[in-house]
Amino acid sequence: DAKTTQPTSMDCAEGRAANLPCNHSTISGNEYVYWYRQIHSQGPQYIIHGLKNNETNEMASLIITEDRKSSTLILPHATLRDTAVYYCIVRVAKGNTPLVFGKGTRLSVIA
Amino acid sequence: GAVVSQHPSWVICKSGTSVKIECRSLDFQATTMFWYRQFPKQSLMLMATSNEGSKATYEQGVEKDKFLINHASLTLSTLTVTSAHPEDSSFYICSARGPGQGSNQPQHFGDGTRLSIL
Repeated sequence: DAKTTQPTSMDCAEGRAANLPCNHSTISGNEYVYWYRQIHSQGPQYIIHGLKNNETNEMASLIITEDRKSSTLILPHATLRDTAVYYCIVRVAKGNTPLVFGKGTRLSVIA
Repeated sequence: GAVVSQHPSWVICKSGTSVKIECRSLDFQATTMFWYRQFPKQSLMLMATSNEGSKATYEQGVEKDKFLINHASLTLSTLTVTSAHPEDSSFYICSARGPGQGSNQPQHFGDGTRLSIL
């Protein structure tokens, strides 16, 4: 079962920052937080992941709280192409443990 | 970045036929690949873990004789849906972790295969 809680849906105005929250209050010390998104009828796309430090790449920033019980994915300047379902997943960094998907957040970017 | 290729993109076939789906890691070797299934308006559900050179590990409720998995090389895993029926119609997605051997490496996904059984 998924160990994260995300809002079902969110809207964001085009050009504004999209902040997607995720609660993972039962996260263990050796579990990473991964973010993926799925655009309609495509496979999930990797966005970013982190353990405890904030991370940034060309797609997004990941802010993890100090207690690691929640995180926020930030898309700094949302575009219409960012409309998708965003999944926050926690996974133990051990062996070949697969990702287990929850229901995610449906982000709609509005012009 | 790492690329996982899946073929075919979509299949329409008659009930009772078998369908093979291929999953390839194009620029890295993957000793382990994962197969997921997604029904409309639902999330991805893990079906099985495919291990190169050994038997796949199936999730509870997934029939291993129905969904045959072969992982014959470090870059190719196949899923065969045997004697497919309309209830097997779904979006099948494969995934591989890599490149690199780090246990925190992200999984990369293919673009999925939409299977429709008439």
